Amino acid sequence: RKEVEQDPGPFNVPEGATVAFNCTYSNSASQSFFWYRQDCRKEPKLLMSVYSSGNEDGRFTAQLNRASQYISLLIRDSKLSDSATYLCVVNIGSNYQLIWGAGTKLIIKP
Amino acid sequence: SQTIHQWPATLVQPVGSPLSLECTVEGTSNPNLYWYRQAAGRGLQLLFYSVGIGQISSEVPQNLSASRPQDRQFILSSKKLLLSDSGFYLCAWSVDGQGEQYFGPGTRLTVT
Repeated sequence: RKEVEQDPGPFNVPEGATVAFNCTYSNSASQSFFWYRQDCRKEPKLLMSVYSSGNEDGRFTAQLNRASQYISLLIRDSKLSDSATYLCVVNIGSNYQLIWGAGTKLIIKP
Repeated sequence: SQTIHQWPATLVQPVGSPLSLECTVEGTSNPNLYWYRQAAGRGLQLLFYSVGIGQISSEVPQNLSASRPQDRQFILSSKKLLLSDSGFYLCAWSVDGQGEQYFGPGTRLTVT
């Protein structure tokens, strides 16, 4: 089993719709969680950290479910500019390593 | 504010040639530094990380090496490139080992 698993997609979503991704992780000792976005042929950029209580940043909401070992990302009122690959990242708290999912590709269509 | 630079942006090298990629960080002191590789359509693979000058940890066996000659400079090298070394090489920095990492623009390497 992979340490961090994501549905690769692509998710084809009409503009204005709400879309949600899940990401599962295998190590119950995981301590820090993040969502990054990566545009085609560009570097990953931090979208948001994921806190235990859940957090929201504008149209984006992240949730953590430790019992089931998954994190989620919800995007409301999706924009064309949201088209990207979304990477789920987990830190298991040792040796400065982030464990990266392979990403979920999102395509927003007009 | 902090910025991270990588060069070159793209590179085409023949098999067996040497490699040197450089990364520098501005606006912070004693950052943790990382080298990743991303193969086409794949996730990020951590190659090396460094918590200080001269301190390098390797995560995967390969024909690559890394050095940190200065606090904010991280270099990825190879004496002889293989076809399998092709990929997108990303340098990143972080404040500590638990938190977010921030990436440079990357170098796209094609080994022919």
